[in-house]
Amino acid sequence: SSELTQDPAVSVALGQTVRITCQGDSLRSYSASWYQQKPGQAPVVVMYGKNNRPSGIPDRFSGSSSGNTASLTVTGAQAEDEADYYCNSRGRSGDHMVFGGGTKLTVL
Amino acid sequence: QLQLQESGPGLVRPSETLSLTCSVSGGSISSNSDYCGWIRQPPGKGLEWIGSINYSGTTYYNPSLKSRVTISVDTSKNQFSLNLNSVTAADTAVYYCARENNVVGMHWFDPWGQGTLVTVSS
Repeated sequence: SSELTQDPAVSVALGQTVRITCQGDSLRSYSASWYQQKPGQAPVVVMYGKNNRPSGIPDRFSGSSSGNTASLTVTGAQAEDEADYYCNSRGRSGDHMVFGGGTKLTVL
Repeated sequence: QLQLQESGPGLVRPSETLSLTCSVSGGSISSNSDYCGWIRQPPGKGLEWIGSINYSGTTYYNPSLKSRVTISVDTSKNQFSLNLNSVTAADTAVYYCARENNVVGMHWFDPWGQGTLVTVSS
């Protein structure tokens, strides 16, 4: 099992708010980054650090962290946000990287 | 704008070595704090970090793959390479390279290459 745990699937009604979480002991010490992946495409970073959004990423995406949990929130989800989302951080020992298992976001 | 492109054989025989190259264009990964990472994704499954290397050749690897992986850099060609030996069908995946950014305790992969599918089969 991965050192970072994500819910396999989450759904949200169009225009509503959804939070995608990532849990792991290493998150108490290291920040997470988040990636959006649509079918047949390479992942794209949507958040890094506590709440740093790369240029071109809509401001409806935000990040937060508390204790062993990092979160990616989509406020006012749009149809184009439907995708797989992966968190990434360092592993428990700090000497390697690890991805969460991914969360499939469905926008209803 | 920095771009990365993976290249290499799309088919590898079981027990042989998988070899891929990541070519960097539009700039260079020349800071010791910037790494090039290799990540793979088996069909229908999630992302798995394989390992990373910086401009100076400092590497770190996924503990579960460390015994089979070698990542190297050719600064003259602005290329990074991945070798994975003794492959099995479980190594069939889309392989990505990505710049690994490290800034003040923050870490992220961006940009990514488009990925290349490698199938392990006889």
